[in-house]
Order: sequence, then C-alpha cells, then structure tokens
Amino acid sequence: DTAVSQTPKYLVTQMGNDKSIKCEQNLGHDTMYWYKQDSKKFLKIMFSYNNKELIINETVPNRFSPKSPDKAHLNLHINSLELGDSAVYFCASSQDRLRDTEAFFGQGTRLTVV
Amino acid sequence: GDSVTQMEGPVTLSEEACLTINCTYTATGYPSLFWYVQYPGEGLQLLLKATKADDKGSNKGFEATYRKETTSFHLEKGSVQVSDSAVYFCALRSFTGNQFYFGTGTSLTVIP
Repeated sequence: DTAVSQTPKYLVTQMGNDKSIKCEQNLGHDTMYWYKQDSKKFLKIMFSYNNKELIINETVPNRFSPKSPDKAHLNLHINSLELGDSAVYFCASSQDRLRDTEAFFGQGTRLTVV
Repeated sequence: GDSVTQMEGPVTLSEEACLTINCTYTATGYPSLFWYVQYPGEGLQLLLKATKADDKGSNKGFEATYRKETTSFHLEKGSVQVSDSAVYFCALRSFTGNQFYFGTGTSLTVIP
C-alpha cells in the first residue's frame, strides 16, 4: 500500500487552463503539505493543513487553492496556469503529536505548462 | 526563524570514495534532524534521522551525528557506490511547530 499517493504523475497542459492535483495519505496523519520543487531541486513549502484547517499559507499566487475535504486528502487546484508554474509538486504528510517523526512524501506530479 | 544550510553541489565522486555533505541549522529549542534522499524521478525518502543531541542516525552505510554544540548534522559515507547518485536534503522539524525546513539539496553523482 502506498502511504502518500498523488495523481496524476505527469500533467501537460496549456497556459490559461485550470488543473487539479489530488493527494491521499493512508497513514492516519494529522498534517498534510504541498511543496513545489523547481528545476534546481529547491523545495518550497506552499501550504500546510492540520485536521482540515489551513495553518501555513506561504506567499503563493491566489491562483493556487488547496482543498482538504478530510484529513486524509489534500488537493491542489491551480487556475489560469502560467509557464512559471511548471515544476514538480509534492504532497507530504506527518503526524502532529509525534514531533520526532518524519514527513512522508508522495512521488510527485510533474506539471508542464506549454 | 528556523533554517537549514547545506553544502551546495553538485558533487562528483569516484566509486568507493568518501562522502561528506555538510549541513548546519538554526533553530530554537531542540529540533529533530533528518536526511532525505531523492533518486531521479522519485519523491523524497527518509534516509536517516536523529532526534536529540549526540544521537547518530545511520542507514545504508550513511551516518550523521546530531551536534548541538556546532549546530551541525553532516552526512557521511565511507565508500560510495554508483547507486548512491541522487539529491540529498538536510531537514529539520521544529520542536514547537509543525513545519519542516529543508536545505537546498546537494546533487551527488558517483562515477564508476
């Protein structure tokens, strides 16, 4: 069983389109995250949800909107896609109460905007 | 605020060479420290971790020791293999918060 799964793995779309990336974790974790990884492999936190509540919202264009229907799911919707949105997006999760435990990552979604 | 600084790459080594990737951190309190590895086309996987001062994390021949006096968590391996070629990330988890702070990643290429 995959602990953190995200779909799709690859996404190629045209500028101006709207797209969504889905993430699910089966670890029973309280907290989920979205990270963006650029071409230089730099990881940037975008959002963090704890028990469906937004707790971290970094400086991200408001074209990006996360949605957490329950604590096992955190989806990312992107409106009006731009060339600069091309990157790999990673979902991750962690257990809130166990501060010495690690974050678990999905396999990533490679988004290419053409 | 909390942060992690790691050695910039890329690093290229011959097989069986020794590896050290430096990582230092800034944090209030007592964070937990991690090394993650990212193989080409994959997500980040935990390589090892240490949760208190003087702890040594180890896995697959890699080691790192949590040094509070120097605020460091350097990754070492005595003899690298071609299969170790990947990007390595140092990270900390804040004791007080629920956020992870990642370094910029160090790309390692091991040549036969």
